[in-house]
Amino acid sequence: DGGITQSPKYLFRKEGQNVTLSCEQNLNHDAMYWYRQDPGQGLRLIYYSQIVNDFQKGDIAEGYSVSREKKESFPLTVTSAQKNPTAFYLCASSQREGSDTQYFGPGTRLTVL
Amino acid sequence: AQSVTQLGSHVSVSEGALVLLRCNYSSSVPPYLFWYVQYPNQGLQLLLKYTSAATLVKGINGFEAEFKKSETSFHLTKPSAHMSDAAEYFCAVSETNTDKLIFGTGTRLQVFP
Repeated sequence: DGGITQSPKYLFRKEGQNVTLSCEQNLNHDAMYWYRQDPGQGLRLIYYSQIVNDFQKGDIAEGYSVSREKKESFPLTVTSAQKNPTAFYLCASSQREGSDTQYFGPGTRLTVL
Repeated sequence: AQSVTQLGSHVSVSEGALVLLRCNYSSSVPPYLFWYVQYPNQGLQLLLKYTSAATLVKGINGFEAEFKKSETSFHLTKPSAHMSDAAEYFCAVSETNTDKLIFGTGTRLQVFP
């Protein structure tokens, strides 16, 4: 089945630790995205990548880093510099060239203890 | 830049009643408009997409939305609510000449028996 997988579903982290969230897609999509979701604030774009080995900052990139070494993978690292990392993180992908429809993974809920 | 406004963060209806969720976009006509649905602790699922082919767009689960350029609106409707429709709904617009989507802050729909 084609789709987007995110792991783990729940993640707990101690303050001061970096943590990496996984996102994999087998839809052969060129573009991938990371969003952060907080109650009442909708989705805010952290980083996005339109092609392998290239990515751009979104609206709230501070304290996060990404890599795009393979077309199907777009991991997100939440660093210790992120002041308030507790949130629901969503990964999405889309086929470029006129579609714009983004397809979402099931999300990872990160809690900082 | 595009922007999206969803009026009403919470909407409550009785089972069998009309569902109306409001979405207004900024004045310039976006290439695409979307409605997504999110069930608790899950990712977003595409309900429907406007692509300028038709102003009335039919989606999954009996939902439809009408694009009204004069009102800069793309409201989501369903004639008869079902308990399973209880979820959070997001309106989104595509950002011109990018692969980015701009999301509204969401509307939580409650359905009472």
